[in-house]
Amino acid sequence: DAGVTQSPTHLIKTRGQQVTLRCSPKSGHDTVSWYQQALGQGPQFIFQYYEEEERQRGNFPDRFSGHQFPNYSSELNVNALLLGDSALYLCASTAGLGFDTEAFFGQGTRLTVV
Amino acid sequence: DQQVKQNSPSLSVQEGRISILNCDYTNSMFDYFLWYKKYPAEGPTFLISISSIKDKNEDGRFTVFLNKSAKHLSLHIVPSQPGDSAVYFCAATQGAQKLVFGQGTRLTINP
Repeated sequence: DAGVTQSPTHLIKTRGQQVTLRCSPKSGHDTVSWYQQALGQGPQFIFQYYEEEERQRGNFPDRFSGHQFPNYSSELNVNALLLGDSALYLCASTAGLGFDTEAFFGQGTRLTVV
Repeated sequence: DQQVKQNSPSLSVQEGRISILNCDYTNSMFDYFLWYKKYPAEGPTFLISISSIKDKNEDGRFTVFLNKSAKHLSLHIVPSQPGDSAVYFCAATQGAQKLVFGQGTRLTINP
């Protein structure tokens, strides 16, 4: 049973560019959340997708957008990249909207903006 | 505004002894708390959780204690094993909404 898979694992982009990160949830899970983890910090919630709609959003600018597909996979898009966007981006999946069930995380995508 | 804080960036414990990781929170509306463990190059994995209606939850070597009046929770690992060396994050949620994480504590178990 495949868990949460994310691609790519590493990415280097130039300031001002756009990036797309991808996530496939654990089998049986229909809800995907994205987190940003800066160096030395805990993960920070970006947004959550359920039934192809954004359901919750954290304190991130509109440059961060997402999408969920009918097969429950998800993309995170970041426009106009800043140096401060360099971080580990984590995807988590759950069965349903609540976090009182165990959330499964992917291994993350390490984004470096130069 | 850091609603969940782990004030110890690192902790070193001898194998076989007890490891105690601490976490403080400020939002009294949090009703569910979780601990995650993270190895390098891997995503966080769920370890143990506790509802705000309880003060203790146990799972094998891992026990989580919740003190609501002090807004404090702790994770006890007994006995500590080398494989427990990892970064531990506490997280909290309100009404099953987004997870709010602490900064993490790096635990090192020495042989």
